Amino acid sequence: KAGVTQTPRYLIKTRGQQVTLSCSPISGHRSVSWYQQTPGQGLQFLFEYFSETQRNKGNFPGRFSGRQFSNSRSEMNVSTLELGDSALYLCASSNPGTGVFTGELFFGEGSRLTVL
Amino acid sequence: GEDVEQSLFLSVREGDSSVINCTYTDSSSTYLYWYKQEPGAGLQLLTYIFSNMDMKQDQRLTVLLNKKDKHLSLRIADTQTGDSAIYFCAAFYGQNFVFGPGTRLSVLP
Repeated sequence: KAGVTQTPRYLIKTRGQQVTLSCSPISGHRSVSWYQQTPGQGLQFLFEYFSETQRNKGNFPGRFSGRQFSNSRSEMNVSTLELGDSALYLCASSNPGTGVFTGELFFGEGSRLTVL
Repeated sequence: GEDVEQSLFLSVREGDSSVINCTYTDSSSTYLYWYKQEPGAGLQLLTYIFSNMDMKQDQRLTVLLNKKDKHLSLRIADTQTGDSAIYFCAAFYGQNFVFGPGTRLSVLP
């Protein structure tokens, strides 16, 4: 079974630009969550999508947005990039509602964004 | 609010036991987890424990939960160099996961 795939793995942008990151969950998983990982702040929850609907949202400004498609693939977008947006963006998929939920999140390897 | 705390660094000698500690603020969590992140990789679930359990053992891993003190620990027996990684404690609240900042475990030969 293929794991969670994130693209691109690395990217460099300049301040003011926008970026779109993509995540393909494990086949059959309907929930996709996004996290921002930085050395100073650790792992911060951005948002979670389930069946194309945003179910939960973390405490990030409106510049951060996301969406989920009917095939469960998800994208997140950051507009008007700031230096502080430099981070590893991790996507995780899970499949709640299938019997006993153990809460396991399956993570991708992340997209490392550098903002210059 | 929900918060999870961990010490940031731990250094042990190969063959010794490692104990990584975690505290959480909200006792309503239903599940508590330990994830491992190796360099350049995403997080991988190591083990989890239901909130109504005190202990769980899985090969070299032992998880202890003290609900009264809201304290979770992960013990790795016979620590190997391949155990060097960042270990994240996480709590699950309904639909929301809260992660700790991660403990960087360094295993010295």
